[in-house]
Amino acid sequence: EAGVTQSPTHLIKTRGQQVTLRCSPISGHTSVYWYQQALGLGLQFLLWYDEGEERNRGNFPPRFSGRQFPNYSSELNVNALELEDSALYLCASSLPAGGLAFHNEQFFGPGTRLTVL
Amino acid sequence: AQSVTQLDSHVSVSEGTPVLLRCNYSSSYSPSLFWYVQHPNKGLQLLLKYTSAATLVKGINGFEAEFKKSETSFHLTKPSAHMSDAAEYFCVVSPNTGTASKLTFGTGTRLQVTL
Repeated sequence: EAGVTQSPTHLIKTRGQQVTLRCSPISGHTSVYWYQQALGLGLQFLLWYDEGEERNRGNFPPRFSGRQFPNYSSELNVNALELEDSALYLCASSLPAGGLAFHNEQFFGPGTRLTVL
Repeated sequence: AQSVTQLDSHVSVSEGTPVLLRCNYSSSYSPSLFWYVQHPNKGLQLLLKYTSAATLVKGINGFEAEFKKSETSFHLTKPSAHMSDAAEYFCVVSPNTGTASKLTFGTGTRLQVTL
């Protein structure tokens, strides 16, 4: 069974540019989560999508946004990139949400490393 | 509100000796707690989880953790370290409120295993 896949694996952008990161969940998983892993800040929750809708959002500015497609894949968009956006962006997926989605095991992809110069 | 503190940013043990990675949590609700492991250039993998059942939780690769409410701790242990255990370990808390909410990750503990 294929795991969570993310593309691209690495990305270099300059300040002010926009970037789109992509995630494909495990087959049968309807929930997709995005996390930012920045140096010195640990892993921080960004966004949670389930059944095409945004269910929860972490403490990030509106220039971080995303969407989930009918096939449950997801995109994370970051506008007006800043130097501090340099990080590893991890996507995870889990089985259908219900009321206790965060107690379903989340399976993580390998991440996309974004460098902003 | 919830938070999690991993007391050691770096732990070094010899192969074959016990492993102890410490985690303390704070939560307004009765929490669910998880340990994840991240090997270099790989995604996170769930080691084990506590969701208000047995307080001693056994996970994969010989790891286990004990939920101690009185100490607000969820330390991860393994009797005998293996070289392949070298990785970063994250303690994670989620409020067990019956409604979905976000996970809060600790800052991680890097485990080094030496010969």
